[in-house]
Amino acid sequence: AQKITQTQPGMFVQEKEAVTLDCTYDTSDPSYGLFWYKQPSSGEMIFLIYQGSYDQQNATEGRYSLNFQKARKSANLVISASQLGDSAMYFCAMREGATGGFKTIFGAGTRLFVKA
Amino acid sequence: NAGVTQTPKFRILKIGQSMTLQCTQDMNHNYMYWYRQDPGMGLKLIYYSVGAGITDKGEVPNGYNVSRSTTEDFPLRLELAAPSQTSVYFCASKDNQPQHFGDGTRLSIL
Repeated sequence: AQKITQTQPGMFVQEKEAVTLDCTYDTSDPSYGLFWYKQPSSGEMIFLIYQGSYDQQNATEGRYSLNFQKARKSANLVISASQLGDSAMYFCAMREGATGGFKTIFGAGTRLFVKA
Repeated sequence: NAGVTQTPKFRILKIGQSMTLQCTQDMNHNYMYWYRQDPGMGLKLIYYSVGAGITDKGEVPNGYNVSRSTTEDFPLRLELAAPSQTSVYFCASKDNQPQHFGDGTRLSIL
């Protein structure tokens, strides 16, 4: 069963505007972590932001914030003030705890296009 | 500090050949992972390890084998290469968050 779902294959956003990339997950493990990575056309994986399942506050890193809604099992990435350099693939990932064998799995990704 | 090093960066194999993709990390991380990424797709977990001597299957383990005899090294073996294994392979390691990724190995099976 798919455990990480990104329903937006592609998204467009105007430069300087905010954009939300959706991610939903499914796990029975009470301890888990959620990540977002950026993959530019050059191919490397760039870590953006992390949210632990027990964290009380939503994570923020500069222009990136993670909208964590635990009851809805969603972990959406919000990018504020989009820049042309934000054009890339974005992946949501989940690290399960002991119940899930500590493995980390990824969603299918969302390709973001930032328009000038 | 080299981080996660993958070799080779590119390789072309013939159907039925075997090869080993190398992955080494110098951060003394316990957790290591192998993923494959098909064109335009997300990363699929092949195998992972939570420490030396311990490995476990991920989402797509068929056609691959791994070993973890040391903390630093986590090689991925393809025994009988098939065209379906054409992909970019990423190795990653971590202890605390997040994962650190290698630059990837682009493998083509012809």
